[in-house]
Formats: sequence, C-alpha cells, structure tokens
Amino acid sequence: KQEVTQIPAALSVPEGENLVLNCSFTDSAIYNLQWFRQDPGKGLTSLLLIQSSQREQTSGRLNASLDKSSGRSTLYIAASQPGDSATYLCAVRDNYGQNFVFGPGTRLSVLP
Amino acid sequence: DAGVTQSPTHLIKTRGQHVTLRCSPISGHKSVSWYQQVLGQGPQFIFQYYEKEERGRGNFPDRFSARQFPNYSSELNVNALLLGDSALYLCASSLELGGRTGELFFGEGSRLTVL
Repeated sequence: KQEVTQIPAALSVPEGENLVLNCSFTDSAIYNLQWFRQDPGKGLTSLLLIQSSQREQTSGRLNASLDKSSGRSTLYIAASQPGDSATYLCAVRDNYGQNFVFGPGTRLSVLP
Repeated sequence: DAGVTQSPTHLIKTRGQHVTLRCSPISGHKSVSWYQQVLGQGPQFIFQYYEKEERGRGNFPDRFSARQFPNYSSELNVNALLLGDSALYLCASSLELGGRTGELFFGEGSRLTVL
C-alpha cells in the first residue's frame, strides 16, 4: 500500500528566502506525482505535474524534482512571498490504480 | 472557462440523514474523482468515474455511493450520516485517466458538518 509523507509538517520563513519542501513515498512504481497548494478552507490548486519518466518540472518560481528510485520529490520555492503562505500537498498515482494518494501536507507561512 | 464547480458549498446535517453532493467537471473532461478531506489531513480517495463507469473505489463503507451522468457531471451520495463524515468533500476532474491528461483539477469543495 502506497504511503506518502511530507516533511516538515509546518514551516515559517521570512519573506525572500528560498525554501524546499519534501515529499516521500514508499512504493517507487509510480505513474506520476502532482504538487498542489491549498488555502485555508479552499480546494486544491494544481502547481506542477511530473510524469514518472521526468526528473523535474518548472513553473515560475517553483521547481519540482522527482527521484523515483529513492521515493522522493522536492518542491523548491524561490524568493518566497507572503502570498505563498498556504498548505502544500504532494500526491502520487501508482501504476496499479487510478487514484492519487496524498501526503498530509506542509503548512507554510511566509512572514513579511 | 469555468473550472470544476461543486454544490452546495456548505451544508449541515444531523446523524442518520442522507446527503447528495454535486460536481460539474471542466468542460471536455471525462473523468471525475471524489476525495474526503478531514481537517488537518490530506485528501482520501473515495471514487473515480470515467465515461460514466466506476474505475476505482477507496476504502469507504457502502454508505458512500456515486454516479456519473452522460454530461460527465457527478453526484456523491452518503447515507446514514455519522459524526465522522464531517469533512470537506472535494471533486476533481481530469481530461483522461493517464499521462499529462491525467492531471487533476479540483473544485472548491463541499463542507459537510454532521451534528
């Protein structure tokens, strides 16, 4: 059974810092991995989707990497801003099913 | 273009009642999935439908059921509500099931409170 963990559970940084969020999964036979952002009480906003054959994806100040063999993905946020404050979730879709398995998320606070 | 839309946004029910949640996917998307998110946790998979057929079911009791209509919209039904069913219910759509077209797009969710 696929399990996804995220470290740290919460993170507070001053504005302007570069930061890294970590995601680990137990079964490396994944189909793809997707990073999401969730504001309090809201739905999930898709940030980046990485196919299993890819090593990384970039969108603006965000860069996500994938190391399937070690069961890890990282989300790098450059020059953080207060508007980046939210919970960041990673989710993996494995080769056996059609659903995504989510991690518990990292709650990020960027202080002005 | 409209994103994934869900209704109602908030609702309050009492134990034992029944609830129906509705979801309209992004235009052209054929797959709809339902997730339950309890406060402080990541979403848990409930159902996936593609072309009106159930393609996946998570570890939820038979009180949970769903269906997809010819226009690809979907309903999630929960019978005999329990206090533990209180959660944010999220609907997600994707163009297809896999590849780049398997990217999930979520609605704002339906917040269910069971008293």
